[in-house]
Amino acid sequence: SQTIHQWPATLVQPVGSPLSLECTVEGTSNPNLYWYRQAAGRGLQLLFYSVGIGQISSEVPQNLSASRPQDRQFILSSKKLLLSDSGFYLCAWSGPHGYYGYTFGSGTRLTVV
Amino acid sequence: GENVEQHPSTLSVQEGDSAVIKCTYSDSASNYFPWYKQELGKGPQLIIDIRSNVGEKKDQRIAVTLNKTAKHFSLHITETQPEDSAVYFCASTDSNYQLIWGAGTKLIIKP
Repeated sequence: SQTIHQWPATLVQPVGSPLSLECTVEGTSNPNLYWYRQAAGRGLQLLFYSVGIGQISSEVPQNLSASRPQDRQFILSSKKLLLSDSGFYLCAWSGPHGYYGYTFGSGTRLTVV
Repeated sequence: GENVEQHPSTLSVQEGDSAVIKCTYSDSASNYFPWYKQELGKGPQLIIDIRSNVGEKKDQRIAVTLNKTAKHFSLHITETQPEDSAVYFCASTDSNYQLIWGAGTKLIIKP
């Protein structure tokens, strides 16, 4: 069966520090991969999605970047964190065309102080 | 582009009563409509979905109905229980098969 792993679960980082969040998927090949951010009590904001290795689409301009160095690995990064980067970050995967729905990871709670 | 509106933003029901959450979409070409449940501090989980060639789908206490003509779909939860308390998101597909999300409904089950 397919599983998705996301870490760390919580992270407290000072303003101006770098960020690296990792997500891996097991049990499937060539998944579509997504990074979402969720502010407290708010909806899901799509940040990046990828349909293949090295293929990244950005939905909103921001202080973050994403990379997909391997088929089932998706990384969210920042060179210098801002206070506004705080939030709940979710990784998700889907099959082609998203027909099998999205499966989300357990999320990373990022607090920038 | 596709737009999904979800109502209400908060819904409070008595335990044992039914809850209904409604979503409307704008793209008539949308053909896949999932519902997700998000518990506090966790990632959203798919609870039920429906494709455009079906009008209704049930899974125990939850059901989803789709009206393609009116471009709306609804989540129905019967005999609500405390563990149903969560945030529920609807979604539909855009022309690139990406999911477009509703804003979410916080469901509160009162004992």
